[in-house]
Amino acid sequence: AIQLTQSPSSLSASVGDRVTITCRASQGISSALAWYQQKPGKAPKLLIYDASSLESGVPSRFSGSGSGTDFTLTISSLQPEDFATYYCQQFNSYPRTFGPGTKVDIK
Amino acid sequence: QVQLVQSGSELKKPGASVKVSCKASGYTFTSYAMNWVRQAPGQGLEWMGWINTNTGNPTYAQGFTGRFVFSLDTSVSTAYLQISSLKAEDTAVYYCARDAFDIAVAGTCFDYWGQGTLVTVSS
Repeated sequence: AIQLTQSPSSLSASVGDRVTITCRASQGISSALAWYQQKPGKAPKLLIYDASSLESGVPSRFSGSGSGTDFTLTISSLQPEDFATYYCQQFNSYPRTFGPGTKVDIK
Repeated sequence: QVQLVQSGSELKKPGASVKVSCKASGYTFTSYAMNWVRQAPGQGLEWMGWINTNTGNPTYAQGFTGRFVFSLDTSVSTAYLQISSLKAEDTAVYYCARDAFDIAVAGTCFDYWGQGTLVTVSS
């Protein structure tokens, strides 16, 4: 199975900060990567698919990049509603796997 | 609008069975595959597998074979997850999640999720 690692595992940031989260795959997955946001007690929400395509309705401050094994999720200006845990997920091969998550909290 | 509504929380004893439902609305049920994802308390997300809503054919991830069964009732646009011989380690929130793309390219990422069903296994 393809392993995904995320860094950092957690970060503290302030409103207005630029935040970058990295996801690394144990082998190449082309652009078959998605990013999700999950708030406590809620279901995950799809933000980005195909590594860089913004899901409909998701604010443009979210962006994704990368291909192969290294990927990045960037939040250009952190908003209060963005404090959450973020997961990457690969869909290049079975089983589909998720990264361990990155928790973004308030500094 | 697309909605996935899951059945309510369950408290079960070890060895019992549970069946979680996921009722879809707002789209053609058989046009998108349905996935199941587990989240143990305080832990990350774990993909359990998916079911082809057109053919009913399930695919299970390793670790979810044997005691886990995905099924459908297309007449009521509902997917089911049944877990038998429950163990304490099955305690988790279980989510159904719709594939983001047409069933012809199923098994990608997940654009709509149910609200989650907490299954607690305790004696």
